[in-house]
Amino acid sequence: DVKVTQSSRYLVKRTGEKVFLECVQDMDHENMFWYRQDPGLGLRLIYFSYDVKMKEKGDIPEGYSVSREKKERFSLILESASTNQTSMYLCASSFGGSGNTQYFGPGTRLTVL
Amino acid sequence: QKEVEQDPGPLSVPEGAIVSLNCTYSNSAFQYFMWYRQYSRKGPELLMYTYSSGNKEDGRFTAQVDKSSKYISLFIRDSQPSDSATYLCATYHSNAGNNRKLIWGLGTSLAVNP
Repeated sequence: DVKVTQSSRYLVKRTGEKVFLECVQDMDHENMFWYRQDPGLGLRLIYFSYDVKMKEKGDIPEGYSVSREKKERFSLILESASTNQTSMYLCASSFGGSGNTQYFGPGTRLTVL
Repeated sequence: QKEVEQDPGPLSVPEGAIVSLNCTYSNSAFQYFMWYRQYSRKGPELLMYTYSSGNKEDGRFTAQVDKSSKYISLFIRDSQPSDSATYLCATYHSNAGNNRKLIWGLGTSLAVNP
């Protein structure tokens, strides 16, 4: 059974803190993605990675960075959290190639105070 | 104009109703279309995957693609309260250099009332 896990379901941080969100998949997928989901704005891609140490910007990369040191793990980093980064963060993974099914984790609800 | 448009709803129907969920898209090069279902406080999961025009059926669910109108639909027959969720349509640029990214609709929130 495919599985994508995220380190926390709920997280509360203060403005200016450095925040790490971790995602692990056990399906040997090449691609991994970080999205944020907000009411009225839908799913928006922050960054994705198609191989270890490779990354590409998505639609809204500002204020975020990522790290992929191992194939199964993809981290999202908020260097200095701000209140407008309060959101639901979803990680997904897929096999390499075009348009393959993305498998999502349960999400992390991040609140920045 | 967004590449994929989807009415966010919410849509509320009685149990047993036929539900129609719809998306429109702007790029005639899109060939593959997906419907994902997202329950509250969960990540989306793939429900159906279609290619080209026509219908694809899976149990109570039918996905339909009309390329001439650039319109995709998901029909749910005999809807159940367990179908209450947000339904997202998605597609991707099959001819683009980097086509691993999906292009998402906003999602339609559906409530099926007992």
